[in-house]
Amino acid sequence: AQTVTQSQPEMSVQEAETVTLSCTYDTSESDYYLFWYKQPPSRQMILVIRQEAYKQQNATENRFSVNFQKAAKSFSLKISDSQLGDAAMYFCAYRGNYQLIWGAGTKLIIKP
Amino acid sequence: DGGITQSPKYLFRKEGQNVTLSCEQNLNHDAMYWYRQDPGQGLRLIYYSQIVNDFQKGDIAEGYSVSREKKESFPLTVTSAQKNPTAFYLCASSTELAGLYEQYFGPGTRLTVT
Repeated sequence: AQTVTQSQPEMSVQEAETVTLSCTYDTSESDYYLFWYKQPPSRQMILVIRQEAYKQQNATENRFSVNFQKAAKSFSLKISDSQLGDAAMYFCAYRGNYQLIWGAGTKLIIKP
Repeated sequence: DGGITQSPKYLFRKEGQNVTLSCEQNLNHDAMYWYRQDPGQGLRLIYYSQIVNDFQKGDIAEGYSVSREKKESFPLTVTSAQKNPTAFYLCASSTELAGLYEQYFGPGTRLTVT
């Protein structure tokens, strides 16, 4: 069965600095999709970034980028120039059979 | 604007009563999902539906029921059989067209049962 693990329950970063959130997953599939979602205090779940496993190039969306290591089954999220609005829960997700398998989340705190 | 709506935002019920949570989408997505989120935890899948008039149980379906009579609508009923129904409920939809697999979420419903 596929599993997703986020080993950091909470992370903090100084405003304007860079932070990396970790995610590992377990699967026997070779083709799949990975996602990072953000859940701010409003609790609205927002897609941050997606990665197709067949693509070697790491996905990037403005200040957000991933480090996708397929062999290591690792999918970390890097947030550059952290802003106060980045404070949220961040969830890593793996797309299985018509479902998303979710990690437990990492709470990101931004220090002003 | 296209999106997913959930109503109401807050819902209060007495123990032993069934309650139905609404979820509507105008994104023309085929698939819809219901998740439960408890404090400090990730999302757990209750039910999902890939097409109209068909749905499958997720990891925690006991005490819940759904229907999918229209593409746009996927209501969730929390029955009195659900032992601990107080939680935050999220509805989502997705499409597999053009290789897009991400799920889009509604704003959620906070259900409190006393």
